[in-house]
Amino acid sequence: QKEVEQNSGPLSVPEGAIASLNCTYSDRGSQSFFWYRQYSGKSPELIMFIYSNGDKEDGRFTAQLNKASQYVSLLIRDSQPSDSATYLCAVSYSSASKIIFGSGTRLSIRP
Amino acid sequence: GAVVSQHPSWVICKSGTSVKIECRSLDFQATTMFWYRQFPKQSLMLMATSNEGSKATYEQGVEKDKFLINHASLTLSTLTVTSAHPEDSSFYICSASGRAGEQFFGPGTRLTVL
Repeated sequence: QKEVEQNSGPLSVPEGAIASLNCTYSDRGSQSFFWYRQYSGKSPELIMFIYSNGDKEDGRFTAQLNKASQYVSLLIRDSQPSDSATYLCAVSYSSASKIIFGSGTRLSIRP
Repeated sequence: GAVVSQHPSWVICKSGTSVKIECRSLDFQATTMFWYRQFPKQSLMLMATSNEGSKATYEQGVEKDKFLINHASLTLSTLTVTSAHPEDSSFYICSASGRAGEQFFGPGTRLTVL
């Protein structure tokens, strides 16, 4: 069974610091990797996706992928209180397939 | 990103009635849409994959006769909860698949069955 594992948290980070969120996946055939943010009571919002090994940056967010070690991470620079949310890691093995979601890491940015 | 809408955003109904939820992709055509359910403080649970013009594929344990899915066009999928009961009360969220396989989520429908 394909699995995506995340630490449930809560992860507490001071405002202005870097928040680091990690995720591991079990299926070596996975091809696409996604990070979503979900505020309480709201639906998930796509932050970014990554396909290739290495880093991908978008504003304050950097996604990192290491296929050999089967992990994906998300770095949030200059953390703001508005970044406090649950972050979902997700994986798919083709563009036409369903996405497997992790259970999410709750992030809390303390002022 | 792409925009996906859902209607209604919330609904309260009596036990035994049926409720229809609409999911629309507003600015792109989606051959594949997905329906999820999420209980408070729990993970997203995929219910079914909806493909335009064909029958939906349901996940194990999801009753296809209770949760009817219709994907009549490239921009519209509907979920009908038939004979709803209090245990069906949940947050129902649809998503539409983009070209890169990413999913764009609708805002969700909060269903309360009395």
